[in-house]
Amino acid sequence: ETGVTQTPRHLVMGMTNKKSLKCEQHLGHNAMYWYKQSAKKPLELMFVYNFKEQTENNSVPSRFSPECPNSSHLFLHLHTLQPEDSALYLCASSQDEAGGYEQYFGPGTRLTVT
Amino acid sequence: AQSVSQHNHHVILSEAASLELGCNYSYGGTVNLFWYVQYPGQHLQLLLKYFSGDPLVKGIKGFEAEFIKSKFSFNLRKPSVQWSDTAEYFCAVNASGGSYIPTFGRGTSLIVHP
Repeated sequence: ETGVTQTPRHLVMGMTNKKSLKCEQHLGHNAMYWYKQSAKKPLELMFVYNFKEQTENNSVPSRFSPECPNSSHLFLHLHTLQPEDSALYLCASSQDEAGGYEQYFGPGTRLTVT
Repeated sequence: AQSVSQHNHHVILSEAASLELGCNYSYGGTVNLFWYVQYPGQHLQLLLKYFSGDPLVKGIKGFEAEFIKSKFSFNLRKPSVQWSDTAEYFCAVNASGGSYIPTFGRGTSLIVHP
C-alpha cells in the first residue's frame, strides 16, 4: 500500500458510456497526477493538479475530463472513449511543486473500451 | 525540456548475475533523478533517488545507482539479482528548482530466471 488508492481497479465500457475513475491519497500531498500507461509505450502524463489547481494538461483529448475537488481526491471523467484509450490509468501524488519530491502511485485502473 | 533515454528495453538474466540498467538524460541544469520499479501486478514504487551529495545512491533491495554528471547518466546496478527482481524499471528526471513534473523513460523489462 502506498497511501494512494484508485477505484475501480478494472473497468470495461462501451464507446458511448460515461464513467469516472477515482483517486484518493492519504499522504497529505498537494500535487496529484493522472498518467496513461499503455503496453510498449512510455508513461504518458495527462494532467497535473497542485493545490487543487490544474497546472498541466498534456494535450489530452476532451473526452477525458479531470476534476480535483480537494487536495486528497482526483477524478477522471470519461465519455465517448475510443478503443485506443484502453490502457492502465495511474494516479500519483507528491508533496509539493518545490521540485525533487518523489511520486507515490496508486495501483491503477485497467480500462478496456469495447 | 528534459528527456530520458533507457537503452535496454528488455533484459534477461539468470539468478546471481550482475545487473546494470542504463539511463541517460538530456538537460543542461541541475536535476533530481529517480528509479522506480513496477513488479508484476503491482503499483509503481520508488527504488531510489538522487537530489544532491554523494553521487552513489543506495536504494531498497540491494539496488544502487551512480550519478555521473559529465555523462548525464544515472545507471542502476545490483551485484546479484534474484528471481523476485523480475519487474519493469523506470528512470525519471526532473529539473531541480524548476518544474516538479518528472519525465520518465520508457522502461526496461527485466526477467530473472531461477
